[in-house]
Amino acid sequence: QKEVEQDPGPLSVPEGAIVSLNCTYSNSAFQYFMWYRQYSRKGPELLMYTYSSGNKEDGRFTAQVDKSSKYISLFIRDSQPSDSATYLCATSYNNNDMRFGAGTRLTVKP
Amino acid sequence: GAVVSQHPSRVICKSGTSVKIECRSLDFQATTMFWYRQFPKQSLMLMATSNEGSKATYEQGVEKDKFLINHASLTLSTLTVTSAHPEDSSFYICSANSGTGAVGAFFGQGTRLTVV
Repeated sequence: QKEVEQDPGPLSVPEGAIVSLNCTYSNSAFQYFMWYRQYSRKGPELLMYTYSSGNKEDGRFTAQVDKSSKYISLFIRDSQPSDSATYLCATSYNNNDMRFGAGTRLTVKP
Repeated sequence: GAVVSQHPSRVICKSGTSVKIECRSLDFQATTMFWYRQFPKQSLMLMATSNEGSKATYEQGVEKDKFLINHASLTLSTLTVTSAHPEDSSFYICSANSGTGAVGAFFGQGTRLTVV
């Protein structure tokens, strides 16, 4: 079993839709939960992170962590074509040794 | 935010030759850097952890003699793919933590290696 499971998609939505991206993880010791965005042929960039459980909101993006079910979510409201990218979830024990999901490729159509 | 610069962004080499990829932290010191490999439509696979002034720590299944890592300074780590073969063709990415306690890693732009 992989430490972090993520449906690779692809996921295609119309502009303005709410996007829900999800991951599950296996180890309850993970404390840091991150979402990265990766455009084609570029390195990933950190989008959001949460520490332990709870929600975090940043503009149109909301990250959620449910440690009881080992479930991580990223919601994108009012999605835009510029949001089209691959989104990777990542977890870590100590903000050092990160484990990544496979990444979900998202396309937002105008 | 912290910036990590990776060079070259793309390289094509002949089978049997060696290729060096550089990863620099531009505005911070990185005692630890990470090297990943990414296949199309797949996740980042951690290859090794590069430690300044000491030997790199390789993940299981990664050939140390094939992928040489040198971290000679606090701002530079290099990955050398020795005697490259077509199966080494991939996207290689480095990352570093800022060291200020900020969560998450900062990634380089990646290097697309094609071995012909």
